[in-house]
Amino acid sequence: GENVEQHPSTLSVQEGDSAVIKCTYSDSASNYFPWYKQELGKRPQLIIDIRSNVGEKKDQRIAVTLNKTAKHFSLHITETQPEDSAVYFCAASSGNTPLVFGKGTRLSVIA
Amino acid sequence: NAGVTQTPKFQVLKTGQSMTLQCAQDMNHNSMYWYRQDPGMGLRLIYYSASEGTTDKGEVPNGYNVSRLNKREFSLRLESAAPSQTSVYFCASSAAVGNEQFFGPGTRLTVL
Repeated sequence: GENVEQHPSTLSVQEGDSAVIKCTYSDSASNYFPWYKQELGKRPQLIIDIRSNVGEKKDQRIAVTLNKTAKHFSLHITETQPEDSAVYFCAASSGNTPLVFGKGTRLSVIA
Repeated sequence: NAGVTQTPKFQVLKTGQSMTLQCAQDMNHNSMYWYRQDPGMGLRLIYYSASEGTTDKGEVPNGYNVSRLNKREFSLRLESAAPSQTSVYFCASSAAVGNEQFFGPGTRLTVL
């Protein structure tokens, strides 16, 4: 089955700097790659997703890139703000199997 | 629309007690899921229901049972709770398996 590895497990950045979180997956049939943000004590919420027919997708300060050949995808957050502090999860799915989540990255933005 | 709702929000059990966690969604989604979240372990799938009338095991099904009561509701039952089942439990739903999932607010369960 699918296996998703996420790095780093913790990340600290200065406010205004960029943050990058990387995930690798094992199943070449995977074609859907969402990213979820979970604030302390809250539920995970989708922030951006990408499908395998697209290499990059942007939404204001966040972007996701996908390299299907290497089987990895990354989340990029630019101009980080304190409210970006949270745990971020990547996930992957082949479309007819449930999402498999990475173990999460705790991002701290230091003001 | 309430989205995905879960009850209860908090629960404390003694070892060996049983309980059922309730989940409902009002988005007319076909697929529903139960996850547990433990520190450093991410979200681990317990069971899921691809559509009304079907259920399948996920990564960590031992000690749990599920019932897809109808299209809206998906319950998780602990027959004989153990301290290892202390966790935060999230229910989620999606239009179809593998699509964007919407999560409920979670149930924090402590087993003493």
